[in-house]
Amino acid sequence: EDKVVQSPLSLVVHEGDTVTLNCSYEVTNFRSLLWYKQEKKAPTFLFMLTSSGIEKKSGRLSSILDKKELFSILNITATQTGDSAVYLCASFSQGGSEKLVFGKGTKLTVNP
Amino acid sequence: DTGVSQDPRHKITKRGQNVTFRCDPISEHNRLYWYRQTLGQGPEFLTYFQNEAQLEKSRLLSDRFSAERPKGSFSTLEIQRTEQGDSAMYLCASSPTGANQPQHFGDGTRLSIL
Repeated sequence: EDKVVQSPLSLVVHEGDTVTLNCSYEVTNFRSLLWYKQEKKAPTFLFMLTSSGIEKKSGRLSSILDKKELFSILNITATQTGDSAVYLCASFSQGGSEKLVFGKGTKLTVNP
Repeated sequence: DTGVSQDPRHKITKRGQNVTFRCDPISEHNRLYWYRQTLGQGPEFLTYFQNEAQLEKSRLLSDRFSAERPKGSFSTLEIQRTEQGDSAMYLCASSPTGANQPQHFGDGTRLSIL
């Protein structure tokens, strides 16, 4: 069965710190890995990664995929209180399926 | 704003009642998905439509659950004879057709069973 595992499950930092969130996956016929940010409501799409070693970047957030070691990281530099959220990692399941398999998420709390 | 819209935002009902949720996808998106999320967990896939065709269903979708998308636009998810374990956030998402399309989520319907 396809599996996505995130670590840590919870993280508390101070404003200005840099954080690294981890996501490992076991998916048959892997296609892509996606990162979402979830505050109180809808998960908001951040990045989709398909190729190894190519960094995706948006402002202070960046992410990279390693298809050999089956993991991805999400980096957030100069964290702000507005970065406090649950960060979800997901993968398309098994080849042609459009189903996303999610990890449990990392709850990030940024204190002022 | 033309994001995914879900209604109602909250639903409280007694055990044994039937409930129905509605999802309006982003207008140009052909694919529509339903997920369920409980506290401390990531979303779990329930089912997905391409236009009006229901193409995939999870084992989680018991016979008390039914989803429709009759005209290929909005979708409804009905839960019959609700149970305590059905309490969760029900999320709808949509995406364009094509490989590797990110899914965009609505704010969800939070269901509480008394």
